[in-house]
Amino acid sequence: SSELTQDPAVSVALGQTVRITCQGDSLRSYYASWYQQKPGQAPVLVIYGKNNRPSGIPDRFSGSSSGNTASLTITGAQAEDEADYYCNSRDSSGNHLDEVFGGGTKLTVL
Amino acid sequence: QVQLVQSGAEVKKPGASVKVSCKASGYTFTSYYMHWVRQAPGQGLEWMGIINPSGGSTSYAQKFQGRVTMTRDTSTSTVYMELSSLRSEDTAVYYCAAYRYYDSSGYYENWGQGTLVTVSS
Repeated sequence: SSELTQDPAVSVALGQTVRITCQGDSLRSYYASWYQQKPGQAPVLVIYGKNNRPSGIPDRFSGSSSGNTASLTITGAQAEDEADYYCNSRDSSGNHLDEVFGGGTKLTVL
Repeated sequence: QVQLVQSGAEVKKPGASVKVSCKASGYTFTSYYMHWVRQAPGQGLEWMGIINPSGGSTSYAQKFQGRVTMTRDTSTSTVYMELSSLRSEDTAVYYCAAYRYYDSSGYYENWGQGTLVTVSS
């Protein structure tokens, strides 16, 4: 199966911009989706497709992709953005129905 | 609105099986494939498998092949995930998530609340 690699931890000063990246071969074929997870809660979708936000997600969240790397950018990070972030995509190897998650990035807002 | 409501926490002994349910409402049950994802304490998300609620076909992650079975009951709009031969490493929160296709890719817009399964002797 494919793998998606994320930095374990990233920090950002309040109000500044941060980029969280996700690398993997499957991202050359499929879009990544991004999920925010706070302690004790289920994941919440923040970005999907080329750069789409579900309703209710602030426009400071955006997504992009280039080659085998997908990125989630938070422009003007807020204290409430402190959370774990996971990328996900379809698995480009093996069964076409399979999915894969990145290991997650813990975002700290300073 | 779409809701996925999972069954309650379970405590099981090593070697036993557990069956977690996920009841869907707010949409046509057969419209979205359902996936199961688990998260061990302090760890990341791990994809387990998928079931097509329409025909019942499944695909499982290689890691769980032979131990996991996903089924559905269209009369109650409920999907089930059964994991057998439990070991301590299976202690985790198990989530169901409704999958939507988008431009050859997909995403999980709706998640269940999670079910904690604890495996302990």
